[in-house]
Amino acid sequence: DTGVSQDPRHKITKRGQNVTFRCDPISEHNRLYWYRQTLGQGPEFLTYFQNEAQLEKSRLLSDRFSAERPKGSFSTLEIQRTEQGDSAMYLCASSLRASGTGELFFGEGSRLTVL
Amino acid sequence: GENVEQHPSTLSVQEGDSAVIKCTYSDSASNYFPWYKQELGKRPQLIIDIRSNVGEKKDQRIAVTLNKTAKHFSLHITETQPEDSAVYFCAASKGGGQGAQKLVFGQGTRLTINP
Repeated sequence: DTGVSQDPRHKITKRGQNVTFRCDPISEHNRLYWYRQTLGQGPEFLTYFQNEAQLEKSRLLSDRFSAERPKGSFSTLEIQRTEQGDSAMYLCASSLRASGTGELFFGEGSRLTVL
Repeated sequence: GENVEQHPSTLSVQEGDSAVIKCTYSDSASNYFPWYKQELGKRPQLIIDIRSNVGEKKDQRIAVTLNKTAKHFSLHITETQPEDSAVYFCAASKGGGQGAQKLVFGQGTRLTINP
């Protein structure tokens, strides 16, 4: 296991289309997070899971965004009816609750461009 | 909710000099404060963290200080080297570092080390 992997790394889509991103966390990690990062800004929290349970979702997240982690392993983030403002880097991270450290391990990200 | 402010947004120092980045947080319940380094085109990676029960922590050339009363914390890098050039993000959470609950990030500081 070489770390958190995300797919696709880049996605270009037209406004109004739906897109889905996948995240595979480090295998023993039970917490999984989604963040969004725009140029020159820090990562913005979207949602996080402990195992398959979605524990928190940002109030900033519109109903067009949905995330799942059906078996407590990989996760998907779907954006419906994309808008130009959705263009950003979508970062996934994982952590192990019982590790005793707070470290989040990030993936390389999925860059979305909405035309 | 928690709000983390970070400054400066850009910082340029001569190689060998020290660099200091400062952050303030708004939620007095926050008790875990990590710093992440993000090199160009790469994922954020944890470089150091501090919990609210200590005031300072050092790791070689890097140190972090925390003032709970004033609700601010700082990153200090001594004897800077060209490989320290990157964007640095501070963050805060209430999770106490136990597998990290939601991290709220600052806006980032782009540090440039001039040879």
